[in-house]
Amino acid sequence: DVQLVESGGGLVQPGGSLRLSCEASLFSVSSNSMNWVRQAPGKGLEWVSIIYRGGGTNYADSLMGRFIISRDNSKNTVYLQMDSLRVDDTAVYFCAGGPAGPNWFDPWGRGTLVIVSS
Amino acid sequence: SYELIQPLSVSVALGQTATITCGGDNIGGKNVHWYQHKPGQAPVLVIYRDSSRPSGIPERFAGSNSGNTATLTISSAQAGDEADYYCQVWITSAVFGGGTKLTVL
Repeated sequence: DVQLVESGGGLVQPGGSLRLSCEASLFSVSSNSMNWVRQAPGKGLEWVSIIYRGGGTNYADSLMGRFIISRDNSKNTVYLQMDSLRVDDTAVYFCAGGPAGPNWFDPWGRGTLVIVSS
Repeated sequence: SYELIQPLSVSVALGQTATITCGGDNIGGKNVHWYQHKPGQAPVLVIYRDSSRPSGIPERFAGSNSGNTATLTISSAQAGDEADYYCQVWITSAVFGGGTKLTVL
């Protein structure tokens, strides 16, 4: 089955950094768009970032340049480097694939929890 | 910024039809996608491009989009349909609605 598996979440202090990974099985990260979407506790889904098939990237304005999305085609893995983390970055972070270009999200992973707290 | 407005909650009797709306300025001119999300699980795409169903999604799930409102309709509602449902569009970035909690009574 197609599968996306996130890892790298955990507890980090405000101002710290974390790198999330999303390993894909039976789904090519280089042939599709790949996204990160987050869900803060008790809140709805919030789109974070996209890396397009051609390698271009885009981010939610609210991040103010603190996150960077990238991919390693040889590992079929997408990453999210998160710096200058804030308490309000606390959320479950989902990896989601999609057809080339800005479209829908399918498939999704089960997410990894990031807690930013002192 | 563009906003999508969903009701916080919708209730439906077992076997009846549930309707979940997603309001946005001229949303009828955009492609709307819908997701089902159960706690602790990966979200699932149930409708894309307003009314198309991915493979494996039952025909009970249907979508429409016109004017300022997109609609997800779930017919013959089952207990397993209880979940949060989100609409989504792309503007210059992806935008999600606030989500609707569906309760099957």
